[in-house]
Formats: sequence, structure tokens, C-alpha cells
Amino acid sequence: QKEVEQNSGPLSVPEGAIASLNCTYSDRVSQSFFWYRQYSGKSPELIMSIYSNGDKEDGRFTAQLNKASQYVSLLIRDSQPSDSATYLCAVLIQGAQKLVFGQGTRLTINP
Amino acid sequence: GAVVSQHPSRVICKSGTSVKIECRSLDFQATTMFWYRQFPKQSLMLMATSNEGSKATYEQGVEKDKFLINHASLTLSTLTVTSAHPEDSSFYICSASSRSGGRTDTQYFGPGTRLTVL
Repeated sequence: QKEVEQNSGPLSVPEGAIASLNCTYSDRVSQSFFWYRQYSGKSPELIMSIYSNGDKEDGRFTAQLNKASQYVSLLIRDSQPSDSATYLCAVLIQGAQKLVFGQGTRLTINP
Repeated sequence: GAVVSQHPSRVICKSGTSVKIECRSLDFQATTMFWYRQFPKQSLMLMATSNEGSKATYEQGVEKDKFLINHASLTLSTLTVTSAHPEDSSFYICSASSRSGGRTDTQYFGPGTRLTVL
């Protein structure tokens, strides 16, 4: 089992709709979780970090964490074509202080 | 804040030559810097973790004699790809985590360096 798993997609969402991206992880003691956005040919850009169970909202983005289910998600409201990118879920491995990335979900917002 | 730069952004070299890539944290002191490699349509793979003033910790399967890492200050780390070969062609990305303020586990990424070995 991979440490961090994401559906590679592609995920297509109409403009204005909600895009839902999901991620599961295997390390039960992990406490820090991150979502990065990566445009083609560019490096990852931090969107959200989340550390506690529940929801965390920042503008059109909401991260959701459920440690019992080892599940973290990202919701993008009012999706825009500029949101089209690959979204990477990352989990900090406790003790090792390094991030492990999922394979990324490619999201396409259709005008 | 939390800006990380890399230089060069793109490099093309001949097989057998060495290439040095610089990573700088511009507006914060980086406790730790990380070097990643990303092949097309794949996710980021951590190569090594670098702490200022100490030897880098390499991930399994990464040759430390081929990928030399120097972290001389809290704002600069370098990766040297020695005797580069075409299979080393990839997108190399550094990241840095901040010591001052915020959480030290958040990594901020540089823009990446695209290496092409002919």
C-alpha cells in the first residue's frame, strides 16, 4: 500500500461547480497535511495546510481532515478554468520530518 | 513571504559534465532544505534532506557521490549533478522550511530547474 494515495484522474468539472479532490494516507501518527497545486511545467505551490480534524476554509478552498479514517480532501468552490492543474496531497511523516506526496490528481475545469 | 529561488531555471549540458543548481530562501532562514526530482507525468520524489552545516540525508536509491549537496548557510543549498547522463534529465525542485515563525513543517518550493543532458 502506498503511503499517500490519490485518484490520478483526470477529473473534469464544469466551470462554477465544486471540485472535490480526495486523498488517503497510511501513517496513523501523521499530524500535518498539505495540498499543493502544480501547473504543467511549474513547481508546486502551497494552497492549504491542515492539522486538526474538521474543515479549514480559505477563500474558495476548503480542506477537510478525518484522522480516524486517514482521509484528507480539498474542495474548490466556484471552479474556474485557472484552477485546472494537478493537485498534490502531501503528508508529513512524523519523526522523519519529510513530506510524502501522492501521485496527484489532474483537474480540468471546463468553461 | 516564504519565497524560494532556484538558479538556473533551465540547463542543457553534454553527457559527462557536472551541473550545479542553487536554491535560496530569499526572505527567511531555512532550517532545512529538500531536493526533489520529478519525471514527466510523475509525482515528486524526495532525493535528500539538507540541514545547514551538516551532511545531507539521502533517500534510498539516490547516489550521494553523484548528487552532491552542500548547505553552507541558512539561505543557500546547492545540488551538483556530477558526470551527468541522459537518464539524469529531469525537473529538479528544491524546497525550504522556515525556522522563524509559523510551523517549521511547511515546505515552500522553488520554481525548479529543468535539466537536459544530451
